[in-house]
Amino acid sequence: KAGVTQTPRYLIKTRGQQVTLSCSPISGHRSVSWYQQTPGQGLQFLFEYFSETQRNKGNFPGRFSGRQFSNSRSEMNVSTLELGDSALYLCASSPLTGGTGSDTQYFGPGTRLTVL
Amino acid sequence: AQSVAQPEDQVNVAEGNPLTVKCTYSVSGNPYLFWYVQYPNRGLQFLLKYITGDNLVKGSYGFEAEFNKSQTSFHLKKPSALVSDSALYFCAVRSDSNYQLIWGAGTKLIIKP
Repeated sequence: KAGVTQTPRYLIKTRGQQVTLSCSPISGHRSVSWYQQTPGQGLQFLFEYFSETQRNKGNFPGRFSGRQFSNSRSEMNVSTLELGDSALYLCASSPLTGGTGSDTQYFGPGTRLTVL
Repeated sequence: AQSVAQPEDQVNVAEGNPLTVKCTYSVSGNPYLFWYVQYPNRGLQFLLKYITGDNLVKGSYGFEAEFNKSQTSFHLKKPSALVSDSALYFCAVRSDSNYQLIWGAGTKLIIKP
């Protein structure tokens, strides 16, 4: 099976612009989670989608939004970009089979966003 | 509240020596524990997880982890370190009552030749 894919891999934007990142999960996986990774803050949970519904949301401002399509592909959008939004954005998919507690997340390579 | 602690920001080990990367957790109910590795400019790769049963879990690349309920720990180990094991390691925990994975801050592992 192909792994989780994220596009684009690298992105440079300027303050005030908006950006859309895309994630295609592993075939058959229904849950998609998004994370922001920065050197100072580590791995921060953004949100999680399952069957086109947002199930969990982290502590990020409303400028960060996401959605999931019927084929489980997901997008996240960041509006009015700030310098502090520069980070590696990671997407992870999981199958949600069996006990949900034991569900394993599989990560994509990430999108490196630089805000100038 | 659920939490994960990785008490060491960095661990230095000589090649060929055993390595341990520490992780302690706090969770209500039964824990599900995970280890991931991240190489530079890459996403996280799943190494192993503890669900239930045997306290010693074996994973990818010769890594294993020991679950200790009384000490609420899940330390990652490898008998003989390789230079290629140098990377950033993350511990994470989840419980049945909350699907969200809680992540540690990460430990940078440096293996010196």
